[in-house]
Amino acid sequence: GQQLNQSPQSMFIQEGEDVSMNCTSSSIFNTWLWYKQDPGEGPVLLIALYKAGELTSNGRLTAQFGITRKDSFLNISASIPSDVGIYFCAGQSNFGNEKLTFGTGTRLTIIP
Amino acid sequence: DSGVTQTPKHLITATGQRVTLRCSPRSGDLSVYWYQQSLDQGLQFLIQYYNGEERAKGNILERFSAQQFPDLHSELNLSSLELGDSALYFCASSRSGELFFGEGSRLTVL
Repeated sequence: GQQLNQSPQSMFIQEGEDVSMNCTSSSIFNTWLWYKQDPGEGPVLLIALYKAGELTSNGRLTAQFGITRKDSFLNISASIPSDVGIYFCAGQSNFGNEKLTFGTGTRLTIIP
Repeated sequence: DSGVTQTPKHLITATGQRVTLRCSPRSGDLSVYWYQQSLDQGLQFLIQYYNGEERAKGNILERFSAQQFPDLHSELNLSSLELGDSALYFCASSRSGELFFGEGSRLTVL
């Protein structure tokens, strides 16, 4: 089946630092999405990308859909304490009502 | 609030038992997805329903089954429970591709 490799697995940063994480796939996706999960909660959609090469921002978050359609990255600028959590990338093979394949997650911790 | 409602939020049961998890999708969403998340793991796709019909199947055990009813709510049935079935079970719904998740049902099997 499809595999999504997400890196890094975990990050320890100081408040105010920028964060970068990425996801690579063994096969092509037509949609990439990024989710954030807080402890004990369901994943919350942050950004959705629909076109190869697309660069989309949502506040301090910026995500890009790789040209090859096999990768995506997420940047968070000027991190704040509420950014703590687990970030998941997810890929969708076809548009519309299709299951998502999730990456393994990046756990972000902010050091006081 | 994603608009997806899952019940119960927490469930503790014993090995060999059977439980049913319930999901109400967002208003108007025809697709319902079930995912399993074990401790500190990613989300594993179990099964998808679209407008009452099974659409896709993932790594769902034979001891597990699901259905989507005419009012579009869905139930995930887990039977002959084992210790390893302890996990968070998430339901998600979608209308146009973006999945919106409920808060999950935490199942503990003792």
